Amino acid sequence: KAGVTQTPRYLIKTRGQQVTLSCSPISGHRSVSWYQQTPGQGLQFLFEYFSETQRNKGNFPGRFSGRQFSNSRSEMNVSTLELGDSALYLCASSRTSGGYNEQFFGPGTRLTVL
Amino acid sequence: TQLLEQSPQFLSIQEGENLTVYCNSSSVFSSLQWYRQEPGEGPVLLVTVVTGGEVKKLKRLTFQFGDARKDSSLHITAAQPGDTGLYLCAGAGGTSYGKLTFGQGTILTVHP
Repeated sequence: KAGVTQTPRYLIKTRGQQVTLSCSPISGHRSVSWYQQTPGQGLQFLFEYFSETQRNKGNFPGRFSGRQFSNSRSEMNVSTLELGDSALYLCASSRTSGGYNEQFFGPGTRLTVL
Repeated sequence: TQLLEQSPQFLSIQEGENLTVYCNSSSVFSSLQWYRQEPGEGPVLLVTVVTGGEVKKLKRLTFQFGDARKDSSLHITAAQPGDTGLYLCAGAGGTSYGKLTFGQGTILTVHP
């Protein structure tokens, strides 16, 4: 069974630009969660989508948005990039989004903002 | 707000030694997961514990979930250089859909 895939693996952008990251979950998984990982803050939850609906959202500004398609693939978008947005962006898929919530992560997209 | 305190933050040991990593919270979690992450890669799921008091073994790794489901530990016996990496604990809350709360991580280095 193929794992979670994320594209692209690496991105370099400049301040003020916008970026779109893509995530394909494990087949049969309907929940996709996104996280930002930085050395100072660790892994922080951005948002979660289940059956094309955003079910939960973390404490990030509105510049961070996402969506999920009918095939469960998900994208996240960051507009008006800031230097502090440089991070490893991880998506994780899960069969359900409830309490058990066993999540499997993709390899991440390394975003560098110059 | 749910928080997970993970300790120690850094661990540097010799091959063959034993070690324990702790994950503590004042909140109750529905489940707790342990991950291992290599530099530049995503976390890889090692185990999920669900029941209070549960103990799971994965070769030389032993995972325990506290009776009250607020804390967990990871014990590695006879560590090997291949165990080197970042270990993360993550808790899932009952009504917090799709959100895992992560500890800050433990960077383990095992020297040959």
